[in-house]
Amino acid sequence: DQQVKQNSPSLSVQEGRISILNCDYTNSMFDYFLWYKKYPAEGPTFLISISSIKDKNEDGRFTVFLNKSAKHLSLHIVPSQPGDSAVYFCAAIPWGGTSYGKLTFGQGTILTVHP
Amino acid sequence: DAGVIQSPRHEVTEMGQEVTLRCKPISGHNSLFWYRQTMMRGLELLIYFNNNVPIDDSGMPEDRFSAKMPNASFSTLKIQPSEPRDSAVYFCASSPRRDSPLHFGNGTRLTVT
Repeated sequence: DQQVKQNSPSLSVQEGRISILNCDYTNSMFDYFLWYKKYPAEGPTFLISISSIKDKNEDGRFTVFLNKSAKHLSLHIVPSQPGDSAVYFCAAIPWGGTSYGKLTFGQGTILTVHP
Repeated sequence: DAGVIQSPRHEVTEMGQEVTLRCKPISGHNSLFWYRQTMMRGLELLIYFNNNVPIDDSGMPEDRFSAKMPNASFSTLKIQPSEPRDSAVYFCASSPRRDSPLHFGNGTRLTVT
């Protein structure tokens, strides 16, 4: 029973274009969502987050959108750069969660940005 | 800030042997987490500590797994006896506060033959 799903295992985009990574969740108790980026042989690093009281959060080239009715969120990277090539994980925390570290992760999407 | 430090980076062992993974969290972080990444199950939480006390170990797969945090700067994850299905990358992570994102170490890749 996968509560957080990233249905696209991989995504390939051209440098300078927009990258859109998608994430769906099934547990309606989730109310805080995070994106992590992971390079090979390294641990995941935090990228951006969004609370369920918002529908958009922006940080530089990165924007996360949340559609609660559809139980869907997406990460937009504009413009994409070759250094953005990594695995991107969507993660969620339930309402009333005791810690922002107790995460349910998606399976990840491999993003490749071509020069 | 040296980040979360895990050792060893790679561990290869034979089935039935004891394996101990080590983690040094970032100084001042009072929460520590152990995650495991496998192809089948992805990243999953095994156990987490707050102020050196285990808070939730519901993700520990079975009694062969145990974790300790004897002080604020050190934690271990032990598997005894190890089995081939324990092969995975084990990540340690820490955070300074309840509402802070995690800082992950670079992981220990465990191979049990």
